[in-house]
Amino acid sequence: DQQVKQNSPSLSVQEGRISILNCDYTNSMFDYFLWYKKYPAEGPTFLISISSIKDKNEDGRFTVFLNKSAKHLSLHIVPSQPGDSAVYFCAGKNFGNEKLTFGTGTRLTIIP
Amino acid sequence: DSGVTQTPKHLITATGQRVTLRCSPRSGDLSVYWYQQSLDQGLQFLIQYYNGEERAKGNILERFSAQQFPDLHSELNLSSLELGDSALYFCASNSGRGQETQYFGPGTRLLVL
Repeated sequence: DQQVKQNSPSLSVQEGRISILNCDYTNSMFDYFLWYKKYPAEGPTFLISISSIKDKNEDGRFTVFLNKSAKHLSLHIVPSQPGDSAVYFCAGKNFGNEKLTFGTGTRLTIIP
Repeated sequence: DSGVTQTPKHLITATGQRVTLRCSPRSGDLSVYWYQQSLDQGLQFLIQYYNGEERAKGNILERFSAQQFPDLHSELNLSSLELGDSALYFCASNSGRGQETQYFGPGTRLLVL
């Protein structure tokens, strides 16, 4: 049972434009969501998170939006840079449970 | 650099064998998590230890076991290895107190032939 889904395995975006990565979840008990970025041969690196009491969180070029009624979150990167080329994972967790449930990832390629 | 270290980086072994993966958490972190990433899959949670005690368990096979030592490093033991156990194994750590990011190590790539 895939509780977190990233339906786009890959995405290509021109440098300077907006990258939008999407994530859907089915577990209504999730109350905290995270995005991780992963380069080849490295572990995932934390990017940004959002609590279920918010619908938006912003950190520099990165903004995460949460639509609880649709069980959908998205990560916006503006402007996209070549160094943003990586695999992006979204993850959800329940309050009081430290376990992260990950999606399968989206490979983002920024075209110079 | 997340501050989490994992050894070895790569491991090649044969079916039926047993291996041990090692993880050292960030300085001050009490909680260690193990995840498995198979080809084209997301990371699957295996097990969590907090200050030496098992705290949470995921879909960890009975052939797999883990422990956390008094110095807080952790080991993941995989036995009776099968071809399907070939994967990336990641360790993560945090303080284990409340909503907090997990910091991941670089992973161990296991290949079972």
